Amino acid sequence: QQQVKQSPQSLIVQKGGIPIINCAYENTAFDYFPWYQQFPGKGPALLIAIRPDVSEKKEGRFTISFNKSAKQFSLHIMDSQPGDSATYFCAASIEGNQFYFGTGTSLTVIP
Amino acid sequence: EPEVTQTPSHQVTQMGQEVILRCVPISNHLYFYWYRQILGQKVEFLVSFYNNEISEKSEIFDDQFSVERPDGSNFTLKIRSTKLEDSAMYFCASSERGVGELFFGEGSRLTVL
Repeated sequence: QQQVKQSPQSLIVQKGGIPIINCAYENTAFDYFPWYQQFPGKGPALLIAIRPDVSEKKEGRFTISFNKSAKQFSLHIMDSQPGDSATYFCAASIEGNQFYFGTGTSLTVIP
Repeated sequence: EPEVTQTPSHQVTQMGQEVILRCVPISNHLYFYWYRQILGQKVEFLVSFYNNEISEKSEIFDDQFSVERPDGSNFTLKIRSTKLEDSAMYFCASSERGVGELFFGEGSRLTVL
């Protein structure tokens, strides 16, 4: 059973565009929703995270939108840059327990 | 900035051989994890470790796998008899309190021939 479903699998945008990556989850007990960024040959690194008591969180050019009733959350990257080209993973967890990762989205930002 | 370090970065082994992957978590962290990522696929949880014992493990973490914290700094993953399908990138991660951010190492790529 896939706990977290992520889409799209890949995404290509022009520099300055706003890529949006979506995730959906099943378990309503999840209470921590991070997004991780992974460059080739590197481990995932935390980008931004949200808890279900807020509907939106913004850090720099990265925004998470969270819809608790729909059990969905998404990552928006404002003014995307070629350096944002990476694989992005959403995840969900119940505090203190394992993280369930989505299948990843390969983002390419064209200069 | 403190980081999780892993060795080796790449290991090639023959099927049936034993492999030990090593990790040095961030020094004040108490919760340790192993995840794996088969090429091009999602990151999958293997095991979590706290207070010198396994706190949670996945179906992937069967009897061929074991973890150990042999001293105050290292955290190891042993694969007893490697199979072709064990070929993957193995990531160690640590967390200060078991909640919130996981800090991942750069991974150890295991290739089983």
